[in-house]
Amino acid sequence: EADIYQTPRYLVIGTGKKITLECSQTMGHDKMYWYQQDPGMELHLIHYSYGVNSTEKGDLSSESTVSRIRTEHFPLTLESARPSHTSQYLCASSESSGRALDEQFFGPGTRLTVL
Amino acid sequence: AQKITQTQPGMFVQEKEAVTLDCTYDTSDQSYGLFWYKQPSSGEMIFLIYQGSYDEQNATEGRYSLNFQKARKSANLVISASQLGDSAMYFCAMREATGRRALTFGSGTRLQVQP
Repeated sequence: EADIYQTPRYLVIGTGKKITLECSQTMGHDKMYWYQQDPGMELHLIHYSYGVNSTEKGDLSSESTVSRIRTEHFPLTLESARPSHTSQYLCASSESSGRALDEQFFGPGTRLTVL
Repeated sequence: AQKITQTQPGMFVQEKEAVTLDCTYDTSDQSYGLFWYKQPSSGEMIFLIYQGSYDEQNATEGRYSLNFQKARKSANLVISASQLGDSAMYFCAMREATGRRALTFGSGTRLQVQP
């Protein structure tokens, strides 16, 4: 059973607002990820983290920023939301055991709509 | 760079019949992992099955099996005895063998199971 949580599940907000999408996991995983998914489309990696105080940009350019001050917490922030940020944001985490599987567990996602 | 191709945007299947969802991939890595995820309309990503590049046998998990043909670089998902609850988006993904071990996703196939 995956223990990874995201809040809020749904967010409708006006242009220019600052927002933070929360993601937390209780599995003690070192690696965490943020993916962005437009409706009916594939997921794209926008941020990842190897562990505390380690964050990197992903493959898809994003105006969002992330932080990793605690192992279990990996929030994503948009300083000034725009309609182009409307999308679903999925957080994931995985072990770093080096085993072949090292499954990525996904949170339920946040559906963001910027008006 | 890794690439996943899913050429079936949508598929229909009758309840209780089997269905195959196609996935081809491209990578220069010798070691990699292939995953299938199910995404219902609620948006969460549900892990279905995993195949490692060095696994000699095709993976199976209940009604799901993965038809892995390494020489052809294909990893098709077979769902046997389809159920109405199988209606969802299905994503094929490949994971990097080392480093960040992020997932690269295909564009997905929307499966609709008809009664």
